[in-house]
Amino acid sequence: DQQVKQNSPSLSVQEGRISILNCDYTNSMFDYFLWYKKYPAEGPTFLISISSIKDKNEDGRFTVFLNKSAKHLSLHIVPSQPGDSAVYFCAASEGGGADGLTFGKGTHLIIQP
Amino acid sequence: EAQVTQNPRYLITVTGKKLTVTCSQNMNHEYMSWYRQDPGLGLRQIYYSMNVEVTDKGDVPEGYKVSRKEKRNFPLILESPSPNQTSLYFCASSFRAINYGYTFGSGTRLTVV
Repeated sequence: DQQVKQNSPSLSVQEGRISILNCDYTNSMFDYFLWYKKYPAEGPTFLISISSIKDKNEDGRFTVFLNKSAKHLSLHIVPSQPGDSAVYFCAASEGGGADGLTFGKGTHLIIQP
Repeated sequence: EAQVTQNPRYLITVTGKKLTVTCSQNMNHEYMSWYRQDPGLGLRQIYYSMNVEVTDKGDVPEGYKVSRKEKRNFPLILESPSPNQTSLYFCASSFRAINYGYTFGSGTRLTVV
């Protein structure tokens, strides 16, 4: 049973516009959420995170929104740039994350010029 | 440079021939973990270690072993590899709690024939 779901395998956005990547989860015990970015032939890199006590966290062009009642989070990238083309993974943890992270399957974001 | 180093990057082996994938980090991180990435399945945790001599199973531990004799090293051992272990493997480390975010290695592409 998949506890973290990214239902869009790919997303194409024009350069300069907003990219919105979505993630849903089923485990109500998750209390921390992270987004990772992955380029081909490289390991994932940490992008931004949010605790369940917050509903928004912003870091430069990246903002993560959390809707606990809907068990949904989203990553907004504004404005989108060519270097943002990558696979984005949503991940979640519970209880401080001692048991590790549960990842979604990823969304391939393509920024078109 | 702070990093997680995995070796080898690519490996082709035959069924049943024992192999070890090494992982080393230079950040004095306490927490280390192994993940495998498969098409359509995202990243799944194999084993993790909260500190020296402390290891525990992740979601897909069957067919794998790990050891944590030193803080910096966390090798992944396949005693008798099988074709279903053909995958892309990532080692990751974190300072103490998961919520600091993992630093991932560049990955090891393993093919078992």
